[in-house]
Amino acid sequence: KQEVTQIPAALSVPEGENLVLNCSFTDSAIYNLQWFRQDPGKGLTSLLLIQSSQREQTSGRLNASLDKSSGRSTLYIAASQPGDSATYLCAVRPRGNNRLAFGKGNQVVVIP
Amino acid sequence: KAGVTQTPRYLIKTRGQQVTLSCSPISGHRSVSWYQQTPGQGLQFLFEYFSETQRNKGNFPGRFSGRQFSNSRSEMNVSTLELGDSALYLCASSRAGGSSPLHFGNGTRLTVT
Repeated sequence: KQEVTQIPAALSVPEGENLVLNCSFTDSAIYNLQWFRQDPGKGLTSLLLIQSSQREQTSGRLNASLDKSSGRSTLYIAASQPGDSATYLCAVRPRGNNRLAFGKGNQVVVIP
Repeated sequence: KAGVTQTPRYLIKTRGQQVTLSCSPISGHRSVSWYQQTPGQGLQFLFEYFSETQRNKGNFPGRFSGRQFSNSRSEMNVSTLELGDSALYLCASSRAGGSSPLHFGNGTRLTVT
């Protein structure tokens, strides 16, 4: 059974600092990995999708890397802003279906 | 382009009742998945539908069921509600093929009293 871990569960950073969020998974036989953002009481917003054959994906201030063999992904958010405060979730997808396995998330607070 | 739409946003039910939640996927998306989110368990997969067929099912009791219509809209039903069914229920849609990202709706918040 795939286990996805995100550590730390919560963190606070001052505005302007770079954010580094880690995700680890136990089964490297994944199809892709997706990072999401969730604001309180809301659904999930897709941030980045990395296919298993890729090493990283970038979108604006966001960069996600994937090391499938070691079961790790990292989400970097450059020059954090108060609007980046949210919970960030990573999810891995196996081949052949959309049964995502989620981590519990990193709850981020960016302090102005 | 409209996103994934879930109705209703909030529901309050009592134990023993049943409930039906609705999800309209993004136009052109044929796969619809359902997830339950609770503070203790996080996000857990309920089931996935593709072209009106259930393609995968999570580890939930038979009280949880779903269906998909020919226009890809989906419903999930929970019968004989229990207090532990209180959760945020999220629906996600994607294009056919596993390489496409999942897009989630804002969810239905179900409270069972």
